Amino acid sequence: GAGVSQSPSNKVTEKGKDVELRCDPISGHTALYWYRQSLGQGLEFLIYFQGNSAPDKSGLPSDRFSAERTGGSVSTLTIQRTQQEDSAVYLCASSLGGLPPEKLFFGSGTQLSVL
Amino acid sequence: GEDVEQSLFLSVREGDSSVINCTYTDSSSTYLYWYKQEPGAGLQLLTYIFSNMDMKQDQRLTVLLNKKDKHLSLRIADTQTGDSAIYFCAATSGGSYIPTFGRGTSLIVHP
Repeated sequence: GAGVSQSPSNKVTEKGKDVELRCDPISGHTALYWYRQSLGQGLEFLIYFQGNSAPDKSGLPSDRFSAERTGGSVSTLTIQRTQQEDSAVYLCASSLGGLPPEKLFFGSGTQLSVL
Repeated sequence: GEDVEQSLFLSVREGDSSVINCTYTDSSSTYLYWYKQEPGAGLQLLTYIFSNMDMKQDQRLTVLLNKKDKHLSLRIADTQTGDSAIYFCAATSGGSYIPTFGRGTSLIVHP
């Protein structure tokens, strides 16, 4: 596709439920990032994938959060037993994978609301 | 790890220049970026500067880098109402793939 695609754009869930957020990066981009943007906060790094290497999970806030990237392309971020503090915009970005990255291309994000 | 700080709000009149400031902590930062986020949208890269540069100009945008003070600024000349958005400063430390972002500066442009 032309850009990074994220779905759903909005998700409302009840506390305790699991959610899955999807990211479809730009074709040919080997690097994929997940960030979280909470109200009044900056972008908080969550997880980074580069090609077939083991992901950098150092930003995941708890073991309720996990992510996978299948076939080096689409990625899914899963939040188990959601809590109200998980409410945020979850942003996915991809890049060509150079070191350091010259440019990240961001999706429009998934607005997650946990009631 | 890297920490990036920026002021949260800036209000300017249309036609004036805007200057958004940012400080970072890691002196080994190699790339420094400015991203723009419009309402309901993801971030878009405006410009970036490599750490061996002091200044970069791109049309109405001027980026100044003071490595000694670890200070980065973005100047927008002739600011327009369409420039109203949140501007994020980001830095990538040497050897890192992962940019660290500031909290964003909300620029409000008054007619």
